[in-house]
Amino acid sequence: GAGVSQSPSNKVTEKGKDVELRCDPISGHTALYWYRQRLGQGLEFLIYFQGNSAPDKSGLPSDRFSAERTGESVSTLTIQRTQQEDSAVYLCASSLAGDSATYEQYFGPGTRLTVT
Amino acid sequence: ELKVEQNPLFLSMQEGKNYTIYCNYSTTSDRLYWYRQDPGKSLESLFVLLSNGAVKQEGRLMASLDTKARLSTLHITAAVHDLSATYFCAGTGNTPLVFGKGTRLSVIA
Repeated sequence: GAGVSQSPSNKVTEKGKDVELRCDPISGHTALYWYRQRLGQGLEFLIYFQGNSAPDKSGLPSDRFSAERTGESVSTLTIQRTQQEDSAVYLCASSLAGDSATYEQYFGPGTRLTVT
Repeated sequence: ELKVEQNPLFLSMQEGKNYTIYCNYSTTSDRLYWYRQDPGKSLESLFVLLSNGAVKQEGRLMASLDTKARLSTLHITAAVHDLSATYFCAGTGNTPLVFGKGTRLSVIA
């Protein structure tokens, strides 16, 4: 079946502009995660959605970052007033449920964000 | 709070040689994952290790887990060029995965 998809694949924006990144999880997956990967680094957790529960926002680096999810489908990560340090690849993952000890996460191809 | 450290961060190895990548973690992790990432690509799941003493093998790669030592290893046997990639280990802290910084492997002739 279809995997996790993300759009756009690449985004170049000017410093100070807002950007929206989209993630379509695997159908039936109730859990959705956003991670950030800076150049040459590992993945940093940003935010996690599980069903209708309140999202875990503990990884968001500042109040310029926010995310929404409509039910158990599409999620949008918004970065306001982008800064150059926001340049990174933003990866989305989904899993059947939200327990990482039980359910494997499947990753999308990522959105490469460049802030000039 | 779970912390995951990998070493080495960079590895250049000759074709045909063996080597091991190490993944240490700081507190209990229910599972240990290994992922592969090719340049410009997303993460591909390689192994999921569930319990102490778990060993899994796929082709030239073998992963193991020692929960008492809080150590997982990824062993590469008779490396080939196609294995050139970045390899990440990840543990389960709470719900999100906690990743190591990755090991960039380059296999040279």
